[in-house]
Amino acid sequence: ETGVTQSPTHLIKTRGQQVTLRCSSQSGHNTVSWYQQALGQGPQFIFQYYREEENGRGNFPPRFSGLQFPNYSSELNVNALELDDSALYLCASSLGGTVYNSPLHFGNGTRLTVT
Amino acid sequence: RKEVEQDPGPFNVPEGATVAFNCTYSNSASQSFFWYRQDCRKEPKLLMSVYSSGNEDGRFTAQLNRASQYISLLIRDSKLSDSATYLCVVNWGDYKLSFGAGTTVTVRA
Repeated sequence: ETGVTQSPTHLIKTRGQQVTLRCSSQSGHNTVSWYQQALGQGPQFIFQYYREEENGRGNFPPRFSGLQFPNYSSELNVNALELDDSALYLCASSLGGTVYNSPLHFGNGTRLTVT
Repeated sequence: RKEVEQDPGPFNVPEGATVAFNCTYSNSASQSFFWYRQDCRKEPKLLMSVYSSGNEDGRFTAQLNRASQYISLLIRDSKLSDSATYLCVVNWGDYKLSFGAGTTVTVRA
């Protein structure tokens, strides 16, 4: 069983730039969620993708966008980076669909630093 | 008011001690409850689900109090390897999980 993998592991960007983070879901999982974890905080839900459609979104601005591909892998894109976007970005896969009904399996995360 | 609130700690305890901490949630319609564990600079991992009647998993005991809207976690016979941040997690019956900021536990030799 292949776990959730994320790339890159670390990234440094400048304010105003754009970034793309990638996630490969655990085999057999059709749902991918993205969370942002700032230092000293719990993960905050960004959005979820199920069968290539966004089916839920947290309190994040439109410059946070995503995609899910037919193989269920996913991307998180952030435009016009701000200093407060510095955080650990976690991808989680599950069989959840539109309702949470299975444990989330998190990847190791991508640590983004915006300078 | 935050959706999920936890005492950040840290709780510093000697090996073999018992440590317990709570988490409160704001939405009375919350349906599912969990404790996740997160080691320093690592991803969160599911520790255990929390059931209405309370449940144990080895040295870990979780309780749910719906009337007062809190859940608790108790760790008996603490081990050095229990040192971590424990995240309280709530689901409201939709697609997402709401995480608390975590309670840090440090077990010393």
